[in-house]
Amino acid sequence: AQSVTQLDSQVPVFEEAPVELRCNYSSSVSVYLFWYVQYPNQGLQLLLKYLSGSTLVKGINGFEAEFNKSQTSFHLRKPSVHISDTAEYFCAVSEAREDMRFGAGTRLTVKP
Amino acid sequence: DAGVIQSPRHEVTEMGQEVTLRCKPISGHDYLFWYRQTMMRGLELLIYFNNNVPIDDSGMPEDRFSAKMPNASFSTLKIQPSEPRDSAVYFCASSFEGYGYTFGSGTRLTVV
Repeated sequence: AQSVTQLDSQVPVFEEAPVELRCNYSSSVSVYLFWYVQYPNQGLQLLLKYLSGSTLVKGINGFEAEFNKSQTSFHLRKPSVHISDTAEYFCAVSEAREDMRFGAGTRLTVKP
Repeated sequence: DAGVIQSPRHEVTEMGQEVTLRCKPISGHDYLFWYRQTMMRGLELLIYFNNNVPIDDSGMPEDRFSAKMPNASFSTLKIQPSEPRDSAVYFCASSFEGYGYTFGSGTRLTVV
């Protein structure tokens, strides 16, 4: 079965700095990949998804992620973060459409 | 669209009591998922439905948990009897054909 590892549990960064949140997955078949964001006391919101096609995926709020099949990675990036980006970010992988597995999450804290 | 609607937002109950969590998925979505989120275990898939039929309930922790989906617009997750270790945030999510889920705001359950 597929699994996903988020390599950093916490990432502190200053406002307007670039950020990368790392995600690696394991699977023996083709996968679909997702990034979700969770603000305090809210549900998860889809940031972006990779289903097929271009390996560079752009999402909402200026985030993007690159699918790297050889390294089994799907890292999330943003060139300049804002205070409002402070949240928990979850990487998720699915082999079948209805079998999504989530990583443990990365808490991004943007400091002024 | 109002999104996925969960009720109640917060529930505090005494150990041994029955608890019922409710979910209204997005109209037209054919998949519905119940997740549980805790600090220790992260996001866990409990059960999911496709076209109102339970497909995989292997994540349901024990017989105290049960879920139903009597129609396309309503699902319940019931815990009877509840225990303190059931305290968590329970999320409902729905999707169309399984690609990318829309989450509700969650129900924060506290069992004392």
